[in-house]
Amino acid sequence: GAVVSQHPSRVICKSGTSVKIECRSLDFQATTMFWYRQFPKQSLMLMATSNEGSKATYEQGVEKDKFLINHASLTLSTLTVTSAHPEDSSFYICSAEQGAGDTEAFFGQGTRLTVV
Amino acid sequence: KQEVTQIPAALSVPEGENLVLNCSFTDSAIYNLQWFRQDPGKGLTSLLLIQSSQREQTSGRLNASLDKSSGRSTLYIAASQPGDSATYLCAANAGKSTFGDGTTLTVKP
Repeated sequence: GAVVSQHPSRVICKSGTSVKIECRSLDFQATTMFWYRQFPKQSLMLMATSNEGSKATYEQGVEKDKFLINHASLTLSTLTVTSAHPEDSSFYICSAEQGAGDTEAFFGQGTRLTVV
Repeated sequence: KQEVTQIPAALSVPEGENLVLNCSFTDSAIYNLQWFRQDPGKGLTSLLLIQSSQREQTSGRLNASLDKSSGRSTLYIAASQPGDSATYLCAANAGKSTFGDGTTLTVKP
């Protein structure tokens, strides 16, 4: 299957700083990318949907100014957690689709963010 | 709003046993349903994808079925092994994926 690379896999940052997470589709062009968040012992919750060249669509309750998403090319989307706080510590994972939502989603390996 | 439920939440079986994991979803207007495996602290590994027009998919010891009209999918694992111990997630995709809470499987040697 297609490969989605997510970087970094782990990051520890100080409270108040910003952290950028990258999601790359290595061997296909991703029309749509999705960002999810997973709390311990819970399932994945969709944060936002991004389409190349347009603004991301955020799910209800997700702060747009806190979680900045950029999808500048068909192979790269970034999630920036701004002014991170300990409650932002979580597992973040992206997925990418080649089509318009009706195709298989390929997932990155996730990023474990710890804010101290 | 799509809701996905997985039963049971946890399952412990002896090695060699066959088992079934259940996934139900409330909105049958989906493009596909996907089963994943997640090891502790790790990302997702895709196991099987069933398109809405399909009834089942098989890969090795795994078989997934889909009954879209009743909003159900099952993941059958044959001859379970300790290495199968993990959390299994199903996701219903209707343009964006909605995940269940997962079934944590423990296979005892």
